[in-house]
Amino acid sequence: QKEVEQNSGPLSVPEGAIASLNCTYSDRGSQSFFWYRQYSGKSPELIMFIYSNGDKEDGRFTAQLNKASQYVSLLIRDSQPSDSATYLCAVVRGNNRLAFGKGNQVVVIP
Amino acid sequence: DAGVIQSPRHEVTEMGQEVTLRCKPISGHNSLFWYRQTMMRGLELLIYFNNNVPIDDSGMPEDRFSAKMPNASFSTLKIQPSEPRDSAVYFCASSLTSGTGGNEQFFGPGTRLTVL
Repeated sequence: QKEVEQNSGPLSVPEGAIASLNCTYSDRGSQSFFWYRQYSGKSPELIMFIYSNGDKEDGRFTAQLNKASQYVSLLIRDSQPSDSATYLCAVVRGNNRLAFGKGNQVVVIP
Repeated sequence: DAGVIQSPRHEVTEMGQEVTLRCKPISGHNSLFWYRQTMMRGLELLIYFNNNVPIDDSGMPEDRFSAKMPNASFSTLKIQPSEPRDSAVYFCASSLTSGTGGNEQFFGPGTRLTVL
């Protein structure tokens, strides 16, 4: 089983809609979770982190964590063309290292 | 503040040549990470330093890869000899790692390596 899995393929959403991304992880002991955004040809940049069960909102972004089910999700409300990117889920593992999922590509259609 | 600095940004070399990638972390950060990103495998951690000491090098693919961090402001990743399958984007990232486990990593712009 992979440490972090992001299984869904490219996601196309119309401008103004909600984009929903999901991520599952294998280590039940994981405590810290991150969402990174990566534009094509650029480096990953942190957009959200979450440590506690429940929802965390930051502007148009909401991260949701369910440790019992071992999943973390990211919602992007009022999607904009500038949100078109690949979103990487990351989980802190032993020795404070991050394990990344392979990412989900989001395309916002004007 | 300057972010993580990497050089070179692009490197094209021939199989068998030595390649050295360089990284300057954000000042004050105590952890440094080297990643490799490919379409097939995604973003993979190669090695992780904390306070200049290698903590986890389990991701280093083989003995052709080596990394050093001689001081808090500089690290190198060396591939010798290079092979075409090493072609990838190599990222350096740094963070201020605390006992609470907070681990917000900041990535450099990456080095795009092409081995012919």
